[in-house]
Amino acid sequence: GDSVTQMEGPVTLSEEAFLTINCTYTATGYPSLFWYVQYPGEGLQLLLKATKADDKGSNKGFEATYRKETTSFHLEKGSVQVSDSAVYFCALKYGNKLVFGAGTILRVKS
Amino acid sequence: KAGVTQTPRYLIKTRGQQVTLSCSPISGHRSVSWYQQTPGQGLQFLFEYFSETQRNKGNFPGRFSGRQFSNSRSEMNVSTLELGDSALYLCASSQITPGNTGELFFGEGSRLTVL
Repeated sequence: GDSVTQMEGPVTLSEEAFLTINCTYTATGYPSLFWYVQYPGEGLQLLLKATKADDKGSNKGFEATYRKETTSFHLEKGSVQVSDSAVYFCALKYGNKLVFGAGTILRVKS
Repeated sequence: KAGVTQTPRYLIKTRGQQVTLSCSPISGHRSVSWYQQTPGQGLQFLFEYFSETQRNKGNFPGRFSGRQFSNSRSEMNVSTLELGDSALYLCASSQITPGNTGELFFGEGSRLTVL
């Protein structure tokens, strides 16, 4: 079945460090791919998305490129801030159903 | 534009009881989905409703049920509660239009604790 695998956390970085969170997927066909972020005590917010191969999603300094050949959708940010501390979820979507990865906790120290 | 509203935000029940959670989608959104979030299992899809019909269902026992009303509001019900049902229940709404990538907008969730 469809699945998403994310790198395990927590990931702890100093402010202004470079961030990469790896995400790979297994799916039949060509799903849309998403990154969602969850801040403490809140629901999920869409961070960025890509709907076809080679698309790059970007938002708030975060980027991810849909790589069909490696079935990956890695999340990157050039310079993280303390306010980026949250849980990040990679997800694929077929129809109107999302399949999520396990989530990666990001902690940014000042 | 108001976001997805879920009520109640927190509730505590005992084993064997039942619970009903409510979700009001973003105005104009006709699709409502429910997800269960637990530390052990992560985020798991429960079901999706569109125009009052269940279109998709996850792998949960029949104790979990839902419905959608004509105004697109949705409720989910869990009967005969078990300790393992303690979780954050998230509702998401989306528009369904041709070519729409179907972005899901999530509410803040209802946190259920079963004692």
